[in-house]
Amino acid sequence: GENVEQHPSTLSVQEGDSAVIKCTYSDSASNYFPWYKQELGKRPQLIIDIRSNVGEKKDQRIAVTLNKTAKHFSLHITETQPEDSAVYFCAASKVKGNQFYFGTGTSLTVIP
Amino acid sequence: GAVVSQHPSWVICKSGTSVKIECRSLDFQATTMFWYRQFPKQSLMLMATSNEGSKATYEQGVEKDKFLINHASLTLSTLTVTSAHPEDSSFYICSATPWTSGGFFSTDTQYFGPGTRLTVL
Repeated sequence: GENVEQHPSTLSVQEGDSAVIKCTYSDSASNYFPWYKQELGKRPQLIIDIRSNVGEKKDQRIAVTLNKTAKHFSLHITETQPEDSAVYFCAASKVKGNQFYFGTGTSLTVIP
Repeated sequence: GAVVSQHPSWVICKSGTSVKIECRSLDFQATTMFWYRQFPKQSLMLMATSNEGSKATYEQGVEKDKFLINHASLTLSTLTVTSAHPEDSSFYICSATPWTSGGFFSTDTQYFGPGTRLTVL
């Protein structure tokens, strides 16, 4: 089965700095990689996703990069703001079947 | 778009009783719904995959007789925790995948409900 590892488990940055969270996956057949943001006691919200036919995707301050050869993908948040503080989860999926395998999460704290 | 609701949002029950949690996709039809369990400060653990009109597929280690899943329509799945015990106390979250893509909806992704906090006394 798929194994997704996520690092770091906790991350503190100063407001305005960048934050990077990295994930690796084991199954080369995985081809869809979403990132979710979860605030305490709330539902995970999809913030960005990338498919295996794309190397990078950007949406305003958020970007995701994918290296299929190395089987790793990363979330980049630039110009961080206090409201970015949350737990972030990466996931990997083979679109057919749609089962998600989640990373262990990264607790991001943005210090004002 | 892509709204998933869960009911109830929290429930407290006595040990030995059963609790039913509903998951609804409000503005799309869902071929597949998923049930997760999440412990404090931990990741989402997939419990089962629920397909409309067929039996749920349970992950290894999840007791199918304890966690009954019914997916009666394309917009509703229910999870019943039978004979609940304190160790079943957790945050249960469902998610749903749309039948078709378009607009806000992607058939690739999962849209999550707000979760149900279960406390068993």
